[in-house]
Formats: sequence, C-alpha cells, structure tokens
Amino acid sequence: DGGITQSPKYLFRKEGQNVTLSCEQNLNHDAMYWYRQDPGQGLRLIYYSQIVNDFQKGDIAEGYSVSREKKESFPLTVTSAQKNPTAFYLCASSMTGFETQYFGPGTRLLVL
Amino acid sequence: GQQVMQIPQYQHVQEGEDFTTYCNSSTTLSNIQWYKQRPGGHPVFLIQLVKSGEVKKQKRLTFQFGEAKKNSSLHITATQTTDVGTYFCAGRNYQLIWGAGTKLIIKP
Repeated sequence: DGGITQSPKYLFRKEGQNVTLSCEQNLNHDAMYWYRQDPGQGLRLIYYSQIVNDFQKGDIAEGYSVSREKKESFPLTVTSAQKNPTAFYLCASSMTGFETQYFGPGTRLLVL
Repeated sequence: GQQVMQIPQYQHVQEGEDFTTYCNSSTTLSNIQWYKQRPGGHPVFLIQLVKSGEVKKQKRLTFQFGEAKKNSSLHITATQTTDVGTYFCAGRNYQLIWGAGTKLIIKP
C-alpha cells in the first residue's frame, strides 16, 4: 500500500519541551515538505527537502528543525523556541520539487 | 514577494446551486494545482493546469487557467453535500505559492 504516514495523530507538548513528528513515505519520491495549518487558514511551508541530506527553510522555519537522512523519512522537531506551536502539521511528498503534492493524514499538536 | 490571492474566503450555497472560487497571482505561473481538503482531513490533489487558456473538466468541476497564466478558477455545478470542504489553489513558479483557500458550506 503506497502512501505517506504521519505519527502520532495527536501530540501534546509541555512548555519548554521539544517534540518530534514523524513522516514516512514509500512512494519513492525525492521531495518532501512540512506545512503548518492554523484553524481556518491556509498552508504555510516550514521546511522542504528536494534530495536526501539536503533541506531548505520555508516561510516559517523559526523554532523548527528537520533532517533528511533517508529518502523515505523527513522528521520535524518542534523546539521550545517555537512559542505558538499549536497547529495541524501536514507532511507531503512529490516526485520532484514542487510537483503534485501527496499529503499524509497530519498531526495535531497541542500545548498543555 | 510572490502571492496568490484566493477569493472568496467562504461561500454558502444551497445544495444544487453553483460554486466558484478564483485565484490571482502577482506573477506568471508555470502551472497551477488545485486541492480539496475535507473537514478534519488533509489536502487531496484534484488537477494541474499548465497551458495558457486551458480548461479541464472533472464531472461537475470545471477548472480554467487564464491566458496570461496569472489567474485560475474552479467552478462546481449543482453542488452536492459531498463537495463540502476547502478548495485550495497552489501556483507553481520556482516554488509552490498557496492560496488561502475557499470554504464551501452547504446551507441546511
């Protein structure tokens, strides 16, 4: 079954804590992305990676970090420097950079 | 910076009425992609338009790309409850620039 998986579905963060959101794809896509969506809003690009071991900042990278050590995986860490992390986080992939995007089911992050 | 403006933000329709959303880019695009996000779900790709003046149809959905490749529209004929959700355009230049989305709401 090909697709993108994200885990967990819901995540709770305490003040001052770093949390990592998982994203895995088995579509053999080169490019992967992280987006943030706030209630009733559009998608904002956090980070993207067009090839393994390389990634670029998007529009709202501050307070976030990523790694791309394997083609299939693109985890996102929300650091304590991100002061307003409550949002819906969507991971996506595409065959090459910025082509048709395939999204995972998302992770909802809530701050306790 | 590059922007894609999408209007309206919301559209309330009676079931069976038509729905239209419009996207306008500040720069010429190489293509435009359309996505649908159901409530509580994730965006799902609908279609990509590449050519100037292109018109594509998917059943009751009609997608248009302007002659100057700076604007696009999505028109749904005779809306059904299954059409409910938010429709996003995303214009491709060097990167993808997302519109803010138009939420289709069916009046009870």
